[in-house]
Amino acid sequence: SQTIHQWPATLVQPVGSPLSLECTVEGTSNPNLYWYRQAAGRGLQLLFYSVGIGQISSEVPQNLSASRPQDRQFILSSKKLLLSDSGFYLCAWSLSSYEQYFGPGTRLTVT
Amino acid sequence: QKEVEQNSGPLSVPEGAIASLNCTYSDRGSQSFFWYRQYSGKSPELIMFIYSNGDKEDGRFTAQLNKASQYVSLLIRDSQPSDSATYLCATSGGYNKLIFGAGTRLAVHP
Repeated sequence: SQTIHQWPATLVQPVGSPLSLECTVEGTSNPNLYWYRQAAGRGLQLLFYSVGIGQISSEVPQNLSASRPQDRQFILSSKKLLLSDSGFYLCAWSLSSYEQYFGPGTRLTVT
Repeated sequence: QKEVEQNSGPLSVPEGAIASLNCTYSDRGSQSFFWYRQYSGKSPELIMFIYSNGDKEDGRFTAQLNKASQYVSLLIRDSQPSDSATYLCATSGGYNKLIFGAGTRLAVHP
């Protein structure tokens, strides 16, 4: 069966510091991968998605970037965090259908 | 702009009652519809999906789809306090993407 991992689970970072969040999927090949952000009490905002290694589509302009160095690895990064980057970051995977399955998430607080 | 609308709630129902959660969507071309449950502080969990008009039942859950009215709903029978969560509706948005509603908070009280 498929499993999706995210780390770290929680993170507190000062404004202006860099960020790296990692997501890996086990038990499947060539998944579509997604990064979402959920602000407190809000809906899901799609940040990036990828349909293959090295292929990244960005949904909203911001100071975040994503990379997919391996088939089942998806990384979210920032060079300098802003206060507005605080939130719950979720990675998800899917195959050819639209069903998406979420990882446990990373709760980021920028102070 | 493709949109999915949900009442934010909270929807409060007594234990044992039927909870009815509703969702409307703007894109007539949407073909796939999903319901996710999200407990406080946790990630969303897929509980139902429906592709065809009509009803789809899975245990205590029934998803209903009416494409002509651009309306999808989730019924939870015999509601339990453990069903208390936020329920997210999502539709296919093209290019392997989902469009999510903001969610409806359900509170089941004993």
